Amino acid sequence: DARVTQTPRHKVTEMGQEVTMRCQPILGHNTVFWYRQTMMQGLELLAYFRNRAPLDDSGMPKDRFSAEMPDATLATLKIQPSEPRDSAVYFCASGNSNYGYTFGSGTRLTVV
Amino acid sequence: TQLLEQSPQFLSIQEGENLTVYCNSSSVFSSLQWYRQEPGEGPVLLVTVVTGGEVKKLKRLTFQFGDARKDSSLHITAAQTGDTGLYLCAGPRVGSQGNLIFGKGTKLSVKP
Repeated sequence: DARVTQTPRHKVTEMGQEVTMRCQPILGHNTVFWYRQTMMQGLELLAYFRNRAPLDDSGMPKDRFSAEMPDATLATLKIQPSEPRDSAVYFCASGNSNYGYTFGSGTRLTVV
Repeated sequence: TQLLEQSPQFLSIQEGENLTVYCNSSSVFSSLQWYRQEPGEGPVLLVTVVTGGEVKKLKRLTFQFGDARKDSSLHITAAQTGDTGLYLCAGPRVGSQGNLIFGKGTKLSVKP
């Protein structure tokens, strides 16, 4: 089965440090999404790309978050500087809204 | 603002029981999707419903899309412990060029 691969699976970092999360989408999927999941808010869209071009990043705090897709096999989400309130599970997904998304297993981020 | 509200938020039942969970909105959706998420993993697509009144069956799971395309339900017959997880509904955000909004989910626990 084709998979979306996310690294790292877990990350513990100190407040103020830079965090980079990586995603390898499924080959052939032209839309890539970053979501954040918390108990309180559920799944929230942070940013998404189509054909590697950013379409919407309005869900992201732009002063500290950035999302890029340097090539078709890699999407990155960076937080600099990280804060405790950024602690959450971050998911990457690829696909399209008509036929559904394939999610990765997520990066569980803890900022202390 | 499009919102998807899921109920109940939590559900704990014994193996062998039947259950129904709901996904409601005041907005019309062109389609709705159901995902199941197990602890430590990303959501996995179960089904997409696209036609008002549509009923889809996936083994012991029956999905229904409301006639007005504002709501959906998931019925599980003779629940098994393997059905335990978070059930999420999702639909395309209007004017978004293809991203999904998610409900906050129903957390189902099936006890042996």
